[in-house]
Amino acid sequence: EAGVVQSPRYKIIEKKQPVAFWCNPISGHNTLYWYLQNLGQGPELLIRYENEEAVDDSQLPKDRFSAERLKGVDSTLKIQPAELGDSAVYLCASSLVPDYEQYFGPGTRLTVT
Amino acid sequence: GDSVTQMEGPVTLSEEAFLTINCTYTATGYPSLFWYVQYPGEGLQLLLKATKADDKGSNKGFEATYRKETTSFHLEKGSVQVSDSAVYFCALSRTAGYALNFGKGTSLLVTP
Repeated sequence: EAGVVQSPRYKIIEKKQPVAFWCNPISGHNTLYWYLQNLGQGPELLIRYENEEAVDDSQLPKDRFSAERLKGVDSTLKIQPAELGDSAVYLCASSLVPDYEQYFGPGTRLTVT
Repeated sequence: GDSVTQMEGPVTLSEEAFLTINCTYTATGYPSLFWYVQYPGEGLQLLLKATKADDKGSNKGFEATYRKETTSFHLEKGSVQVSDSAVYFCALSRTAGYALNFGKGTSLLVTP
């Protein structure tokens, strides 16, 4: 079974530029999560989808971040414009409710210069 | 709000030593508790979990018991190996499908 796929794995951009991350969850998983992991910290939720609906986006900085999950499968997370403080690892995870386990992708490491 | 506190690292042990990584939590109700592991260059993997008080999760020689009276979920292993070197995260979730609330992680280095 294929795991959660994320691309790109690494991205380096200049501040004020836009950037997008893509996630393909495990087939059949209805819940998808985007987490932000700063260096030396645990992941923190940005947004959670149940199918195509964003059911928890309270931690998403909506002035510059946006996300979508078309057709309830793949998801894209966008930052526009990027700031130096956005340098971090962006993790995507998926799960099949009512199972508790969340399966994580390898993450995208973003560096903003 | 919900939170998880785990001991700071790095923790350095010799091979075959006993491991304890402390984790305590603050949450309303009865959350489920997890330990995730992140090996160098890899994504987060679920190591073990416990969904109710007094449950013991176990996997790959690691164990943790859900102690509601002390709000703790300490990770233990009787004899660590070099291959156990990784970052370990304690986490909680209110219910299935909810986001995980992670601790800051504890880095473990096991030397031969």
